[in-house]
Amino acid sequence: NAGVTQTPKFQVLKTGQSMTLQCAQDMNHNSMYWYRQDPGMGLRLIYYSASEGTTDKGEVPNGYNVSRLNKREFSLRLESAAPSQTSVYFCASSEGFHTDTQYFGPGTRLTVL
Amino acid sequence: GENVEQHPSTLSVQEGDSAVIKCTYSDSASNYFPWYKQELGKRPQLIIDIRSNVGEKKDQRIAVTLNKTAKHFSLHITETQPEDSAVYFCAAKGNNYGQNFVFGPGTRLSVLP
Repeated sequence: NAGVTQTPKFQVLKTGQSMTLQCAQDMNHNSMYWYRQDPGMGLRLIYYSASEGTTDKGEVPNGYNVSRLNKREFSLRLESAAPSQTSVYFCASSEGFHTDTQYFGPGTRLTVL
Repeated sequence: GENVEQHPSTLSVQEGDSAVIKCTYSDSASNYFPWYKQELGKRPQLIIDIRSNVGEKKDQRIAVTLNKTAKHFSLHITETQPEDSAVYFCAAKGNNYGQNFVFGPGTRLSVLP
């Protein structure tokens, strides 16, 4: 099992450009999450999908959109990138939404110039 | 909403000594408290978790204690080794709708040989 995979690993964008971060899991998990990690601020939840067919906003959703394409895949889109979105983005999944262990992907380091 | 504080932000110990990291949370409805370890450039990985129906849990050199009344929980690492050097994150979550994982800002642990 690959667990949780993310593409790309690194990305540099110019302000105003758009991109989609891809995430997939092969553990048959129901719930998936997108976090951003900034120095000294821990992990902050952007969006989550408690189950296939549902998505909800987390703590910092502004400037992002998500799609739960199927049970395996959960993508994060930046429509018009801004320097404040420079961060490391982690996708995670868990078997259930409530108090289940989250497994993280390797992360995407995004720089917006 | 939930707020998780974590102390200290940095911690240096000699190899073989013990390390203690403390977290406090604000939402009394939170009932699941995981701890994650993140090595430099890697993904966060769960090392231990505790649910609100127990007060302490141990796994070899790692233990977590929970005080629900005071709303704090702590990570204890005994006989520290250089490979314990990493950033450690605590988190809190409840079962109610809208209660997502909220992470502390992290503690950078350095184990000096």
